Amino acid sequence: GAVVSQHPSRVICKSGTSVKIECRSLDFQATTMFWYRQFPKKSLMLMATSNEGSKATYEQGVEKDKFLINHASLTLSTLTVTSAHPEDSSFYICSGLEGQETQYFGPGTRLLVL
Amino acid sequence: QKEVEQDPGPLSVPEGAIVSLNCTYSNSAFQYFMWYRQYSRKGPELLMYTYSSGNKEDGRFTAQVDKSSKYISLFIRDSQPSDSATYLCAMSAYSSASKIIFGSGTRLSIRP
Repeated sequence: GAVVSQHPSRVICKSGTSVKIECRSLDFQATTMFWYRQFPKKSLMLMATSNEGSKATYEQGVEKDKFLINHASLTLSTLTVTSAHPEDSSFYICSGLEGQETQYFGPGTRLLVL
Repeated sequence: QKEVEQDPGPLSVPEGAIVSLNCTYSNSAFQYFMWYRQYSRKGPELLMYTYSSGNKEDGRFTAQVDKSSKYISLFIRDSQPSDSATYLCAMSAYSSASKIIFGSGTRLSIRP
């Protein structure tokens, strides 16, 4: 199957700083990428859908000014958590859509805000 | 009521047993059903997907969908310790391209 990578895999930051997470589709072009958030022992919750070259579509309750998404190329989307706070600590997972059928997920990025 | 309900487990079975994992859903618009496997601190991996009611088999895995009851299942035959993971059901209205709603996941442990 297709491969999606994320970087970094784990990040610890101080409260008030911003953190950027990269999501790359390694062997396919992803016109659409998705960003999810997962709390311990909970399901994945879709945060936003990003389409290459256009603004991301955010799910209800997700602050677009806090979670900045950029999808500048067909193989790269970035999520920036701005002015991070401890409640933003979570497991962030991206996925890339190959064709119109299958989302391939990245390995996730664990964010801890102190 | 959640759109997708899944028993979180944990479920522990001996090696070689048949495992049955289930989800129920409330939204009749869901037409595309998936099962993902997620190892600890990793991203989900797609195991199977299906559009229709009935059974779909892939090796030791069988996915079953009953749209009339809004009930889906995943069966694992001849379970192995390497099958130990969290299994997430997921569904959407059209395909993987549309918004996917995930179950909360069932944690499965296969005892050697």
